[in-house]
Amino acid sequence: ELKVEQNPLFLSMQEGKNYTIYCNYSTTSDRLYWYRQDPGKSLESLFVLLSNGAVKQEGRLMASLDTKARLSTLHITAAVHDLSATYFCAAFFGNEKLTFGTGTRLTIIP
Amino acid sequence: NAGVTQTPKFRILKIGQSMTLQCTQDMNHNYMYWYRQDPGMGLKLIYYSVGAGITDKGEVPNGYNVSRSTTEDFPLRLELAAPSQTSVYFCASNGANVLTFGAGSRLTVL
Repeated sequence: ELKVEQNPLFLSMQEGKNYTIYCNYSTTSDRLYWYRQDPGKSLESLFVLLSNGAVKQEGRLMASLDTKARLSTLHITAAVHDLSATYFCAAFFGNEKLTFGTGTRLTIIP
Repeated sequence: NAGVTQTPKFRILKIGQSMTLQCTQDMNHNYMYWYRQDPGMGLKLIYYSVGAGITDKGEVPNGYNVSRSTTEDFPLRLELAAPSQTSVYFCASNGANVLTFGAGSRLTVL
C-alpha cells in the first residue's frame, strides 16, 4: 500500500528556534516534493528532490532526501512568524501516482 | 501564461444534483490530477491522467468520473452529489517535475 507519513502532525515552536519535519514513505520513490499551504489557499511548491542525498535550501527552509531510508526531512532554521502554515510532502509512486502526506500544521509563536 | 485554471471557485449543490468541475492547463503537461481536501486534512487522489485518452483511479474515485479528450482539459464530474463530497477540490498538472496546482474549487453539498 502506498503511504506517506509525516510527523509531527502539529508543531508549535517559538520564533528563533530550529525544528525538523519528517516524511516517511512506504515504497520506492525517486521524486519527493514539499509544499506549503496557507489557510484557504492552494499549494505552493517549495522543493523538488530527485535523487538520493539531494539537499535544497531556500531561506530558512532546507529539505533533504534519503531514498535508502525512504525518508525526507524539512528543516526550519531560526523560525519566524511568516513560516506559520501547513507543510505537505508528496512522493511519486510508479512514475504516475503522486501521494501526499497528512501534513504538518506549523505555528510559530512570538 | 495562466498555469492551471479551475472553475467554478465556489458551488453549492443539493443532494442528488450533478455537476462538472473544470480544469484547464496551458503548459502542455501530460500528467494531470484531481485531489480532494477535507477540512484540516491532507489531499486524497481521486483520479489522474497520464495523457489524452488515458485516465486511472486514485485512492477515492467512488462518486466521480473523469475524461481527458485533450491535453489541456481534465474535467471532474459528480453524478449524484452526496454530503460526503463536500470538500475543496484541487486540480494539478505535472511536466518535467514541475507540479502546478489550481486555486481550488470549494464544493458544498446540502
